[in-house]
Amino acid sequence: QVQLVESGGGVVQRGTSLRLSCVVSGLPFSDYAFHWVRQAPGKGLEWVAVISYDGTYTFYADSVKGRFTISRDNSKNTIYLQMNTVRVDDTARYYCAREHGSLPGANFAFWGQGDLVTVSS
Amino acid sequence: EIVLTQSPLSLPVTPGESASISCRSSESLLHTNGYKYLDWYLQKPGQSPQLLVNLVSNRASGVPDRFSGTGSDTDFTLKISRVEAEDVGVYYCVQGLQTPITFGQGTRLEIK
Repeated sequence: QVQLVESGGGVVQRGTSLRLSCVVSGLPFSDYAFHWVRQAPGKGLEWVAVISYDGTYTFYADSVKGRFTISRDNSKNTIYLQMNTVRVDDTARYYCAREHGSLPGANFAFWGQGDLVTVSS
Repeated sequence: EIVLTQSPLSLPVTPGESASISCRSSESLLHTNGYKYLDWYLQKPGQSPQLLVNLVSNRASGVPDRFSGTGSDTDFTLKISRVEAEDVGVYYCVQGLQTPITFGQGTRLEIK
């Protein structure tokens, strides 16, 4: 079945780094763009970053630009989010999501369950 | 960045009645290809969000026809007819016209 499984989260200290992974199975991978979307506890959804199908293009929210890097390994069906110099306000559940591909603008057709990142001060 | 403003933020509804959620964009969401890049998502309690409506009015696969979307270039509405208990959750509009992709604040639908 379709699975997007995020991992790598946990409790980290402010100013440190961590890398999230999203392994995709049961779903075509290498022809599609992927996103990271986050949700702070009790808050709404915030788009974080997108990577094109071949990794050529990446875009970021201003809140993470220069600190986070999205990448992909098409040989491993995996998306990554390298998070550097994390801040307390980066605390959130981080979701990996794949675009639909056939529906224009449907950026988040498939979602993982998310992984919780907690940044302590 | 494009700002999406949803209203109301909280929506108590009696089962069987209808409900409407508004989403207003700070800019036109009309693409040069003629599509308006406004989608609706529902996040049920304890779950990941799910796509409900794409490009203003196209229901995603498996979404009941009780859900319908309409809108102009900047003002959009999601209507839920005959609300059921399973419709509880937070509804988000999102624009995909340009980066940064932005979400509305979310509207929490609850059953009275």
